[in-house]
Amino acid sequence: DAKTTQPNSMESNEEEPVHLPCNHSTISGTDYIHWYRQLPSQGPEYVIHGLTSNVNNRMASLAIAEDRKSSTLILHRATLRDAAVYYCIQETSGSRLTFGEGTQLTVNP
Amino acid sequence: GAVVSQHPSRVICKSGTSVKIECRSLDFQATTMFWYRQFPKQSLMLMATSNEGSKATYEQGVEKDKFLINHASLTLSTLTVTSAHPEDSSFYICSARSVHSSYNEQFFGPGTRLTVL
Repeated sequence: DAKTTQPNSMESNEEEPVHLPCNHSTISGTDYIHWYRQLPSQGPEYVIHGLTSNVNNRMASLAIAEDRKSSTLILHRATLRDAAVYYCIQETSGSRLTFGEGTQLTVNP
Repeated sequence: GAVVSQHPSRVICKSGTSVKIECRSLDFQATTMFWYRQFPKQSLMLMATSNEGSKATYEQGVEKDKFLINHASLTLSTLTVTSAHPEDSSFYICSARSVHSSYNEQFFGPGTRLTVL
C-alpha cells in the first residue's frame, strides 16, 4: 500500500501560519492527495485534497510540488481548535485511503 | 457538508457476545462505505470496503467471519463483531463515499467505542 511520510509532531503558536509537510514519493499520475484531521475520540474530518495544482479552501491551502512527490498543508492562522492529528493520504487502488501515522499539531496560546 | 452517523457511540459488552454497529449517511446516498478500526495512540486501519448490494471486500488479515458487514441500502451499512473478545476492544469508524462524488471524498462518522469485558 502507498504510504506517506509525515513528521510525528509539530508545534505552532496561535495566530501564526503552520506548514505541515508530507512526502508521497510513490504517487502515480492519477492519485489524489487527501488531507484529513482528527480530534481525540472523533472521526476524521476532511480538510482538503488536490491532484496537481495548488488548492485553497476556507480551511487551508494545499501546495503540491511540481513532481508531486511531496505536498504541504498550510493553515494560514492557527487557532487552538486546529490542534489535531493531521493525516496526509495518498489514494490507493479501489478508492481506498491508507492512513499513515499523521502529524500531531500542537497550538500554543 | 455531508453527515454520517454511527450508532451506538459507545458500547460495553461481555466476552462472547455479538455487537452490531450501524453507519448511516444522513443526507446523501453512498455507493461505498468503509470500515476502519483504531487502537489507542494509533492510526486508522482500514478493515473492509462495502458496496451497496454486494459482498464486502476485506483487507488482508481481517477475518470476514468475525466482522460481518452488510450494506443493504445506499444509506446504511452495518458491522457486526461476532463473539467479541477483549482484544476486539477498539474505536470503530465508518466512512461513506457519495454517489455524486467525482473524486474519492469520504465522509467519516463520529466513531463507536467498543469495550469488551
